[in-house]
Amino acid sequence: SQELEQSPQSLIVQEGKNLTINCTSSKTLYGLYWYKQKYGEGLIFLMMLQKGGEEKSHEKITAKLDEKKQQSSLHITASQPSHAGIYLCGAARLYGKLTFGQGTILTVHP
Amino acid sequence: DAGVIQSPRHEVTEMGQEVTLRCKPISGHDYLFWYRQTMMRGLELLIYFNNNVPIDDSGMPEDRFSAKMPNASFSTLKIQPSEPRDSAVYFCASSPAKGATPSSYEQYFGPGTRLTVT
Repeated sequence: SQELEQSPQSLIVQEGKNLTINCTSSKTLYGLYWYKQKYGEGLIFLMMLQKGGEEKSHEKITAKLDEKKQQSSLHITASQPSHAGIYLCGAARLYGKLTFGQGTILTVHP
Repeated sequence: DAGVIQSPRHEVTEMGQEVTLRCKPISGHDYLFWYRQTMMRGLELLIYFNNNVPIDDSGMPEDRFSAKMPNASFSTLKIQPSEPRDSAVYFCASSPAKGATPSSYEQYFGPGTRLTVT
């Protein structure tokens, strides 16, 4: 069974619009990683959240982990074509292992 | 550091042939991971190593797949014989993870090898 559920599976927005991607776990999250992937390339690390209620921002991207540590959201403000790609959340499991969600495909139209 | 290096970047082969994918992790990283990515199944963990020792190979699809890590700076993923359903992008990643410290589990991914089996 899928341990991490991402929603939506795909998202198409107009440039300048805000958007949110969600990642929900069936288990408590002890470390939640967000990655971005451009087509044909490897995954690039964005942010890591560990504490309930934690929030981190980098440029126009903000990630949050809820107090119960079972859901995380990634919010992009004033989206740009450069934000397009696949966003994946990964949950830290035992001894270095990450379990990934199925990914959210983001398209930003100029 | 050059990051995680994978070779080849693209591989096209015929069904039944042996395929070997190569990976050089980031120096000092104790963990190495092999993933497979397809549109249908997303990103799947195949196998991972800690200090050159395989820890979990439960994701390896079948006996046709094998992985080795003869030393800290090199790993291979071999498919023999290859089949069309093996067509995918294969990623190698390394991590400086330290034991039970989730905040250290950041994985650094290579650019991937796009495998096409005809």
